[in-house]
Amino acid sequence: GQQLNQSPQSMFIQEGEDVSMNCTSSSIFNTWLWYKQDPGEGPVLLIALYKAGELTSNGRLTAQFGITRKDSFLNISASIPSDVGIYFCAGTVGGKLIFGQGTELSVKP
Amino acid sequence: NAGVTQTPKFQVLKTGQSMTLQCAQDMNHEYMSWYRQDPGMGLRLIHYSVGAGITDQGEVPNGYNVSRSTTEDFPLRLLSAAPSQTSVYFCASSYSGGQGARYGYTFGSGTRLTVV
Repeated sequence: GQQLNQSPQSMFIQEGEDVSMNCTSSSIFNTWLWYKQDPGEGPVLLIALYKAGELTSNGRLTAQFGITRKDSFLNISASIPSDVGIYFCAGTVGGKLIFGQGTELSVKP
Repeated sequence: NAGVTQTPKFQVLKTGQSMTLQCAQDMNHEYMSWYRQDPGMGLRLIHYSVGAGITDQGEVPNGYNVSRSTTEDFPLRLLSAAPSQTSVYFCASSYSGGQGARYGYTFGSGTRLTVV
């Protein structure tokens, strides 16, 4: 079945640094989504990508939908302490939303 | 507009008991899904629905049943609870098609289930 491989699994960075994480799959997805999850909460949508090759920004976040529709990356610029959390990539196909394993981000002030 | 509402928030079950996790959305979303989240495993799809009367299996459907008799509700039934079903369960919903692509899925706040 469809699987998303997300890397890295965890990151420990200094406040102000830039962050990059990515997802790859052997399957084609119609859309790519990036979510953030805070402890005890459900995932919250950060960026939605629905065209191959699309590059989209949301404040300090930038994400791209790979041209092959099999990969995506998320960049966070100038990280701040509130960026701490787990970031998930997700892909949709035929009404299904499949998640990557997540990247746990820790930011040191 | 309450979004996606899950009840209960917490539940403890004994092995072999059955129960239903409730999920309701008031956004007229066509798509609804159930996930379980275990430490280090991300969110795994249990069952999903693309509209009233239509359901399908996800990645980990064994031990769970669903039905979708209305657009708003998508209950998840545990038939005979097992300790391996201890997890956090999330319900999510989305528009279909272009709107779904643009706005993504909205998640509930989760149900924390412990099976002893």
